[in-house]
Amino acid sequence: DAGVTQSPTHLIKTRGQQVTLRCSPKSGHDTVSWYQQALGQGPQFIFQYYEEEERQRGNFPDRFSGHQFPNYSSELNVNALLLGDSALYLCASSPNRGDRRYGYTFGSGTRLTVV
Amino acid sequence: AQSVTQLDSHVSVSEGTPVLLRCNYSSSYSPSLFWYVQHPNKGLQLLLKYTSAATLVKGINGFEAEFKKSETSFHLTKPSAHMSDAAEYFCVVILFSGGYNKLIFGAGTRLAVHP
Repeated sequence: DAGVTQSPTHLIKTRGQQVTLRCSPKSGHDTVSWYQQALGQGPQFIFQYYEEEERQRGNFPDRFSGHQFPNYSSELNVNALLLGDSALYLCASSPNRGDRRYGYTFGSGTRLTVV
Repeated sequence: AQSVTQLDSHVSVSEGTPVLLRCNYSSSYSPSLFWYVQHPNKGLQLLLKYTSAATLVKGINGFEAEFKKSETSFHLTKPSAHMSDAAEYFCVVILFSGGYNKLIFGAGTRLAVHP
């Protein structure tokens, strides 16, 4: 049973460009969350999707947007990239609307470097 | 508001000696708490979780944690460190808001294990 799959694993972009990161949740999971982990820091919550709608959002600008598809997979889009957007982007999936009893399964992340 | 504080940014132990990683939490209601581990250039792996059942929680790889409400603590321990335990460890609390959960991470503790 595959866990959470993220693509690509590494990405280099130029300031001002746009990027799309992808996530396939673990089988049976319906809720997807995205986190940004800057170097040397703990992950920060970006947003969460359930039933194809954004349900919660962290303290991130509108340049960060997302989408969830009917098969529960998700995309994270970042527009007008800044150097400060360089980070590891983690996707986490969970079952049953993010029920806390089940924990959250993380992917290995996408390392985004903005130059 | 929900938050966690990891009291040590770095911990260094010798192989075969006990490990103690400290975490205090702040919560306005009965919390759900997790410990995650992150090996270099890897995603996050769930070590164990507390969701208001038994206060002593056993996890993978010989780790365990005890929930102490009176001390608002959830320290992670292991009787005997192994070289493979060297990694970054995150204490996490769940914030419940608007019908959905999100993870709030501590700043992390880097565990070094010496021969």
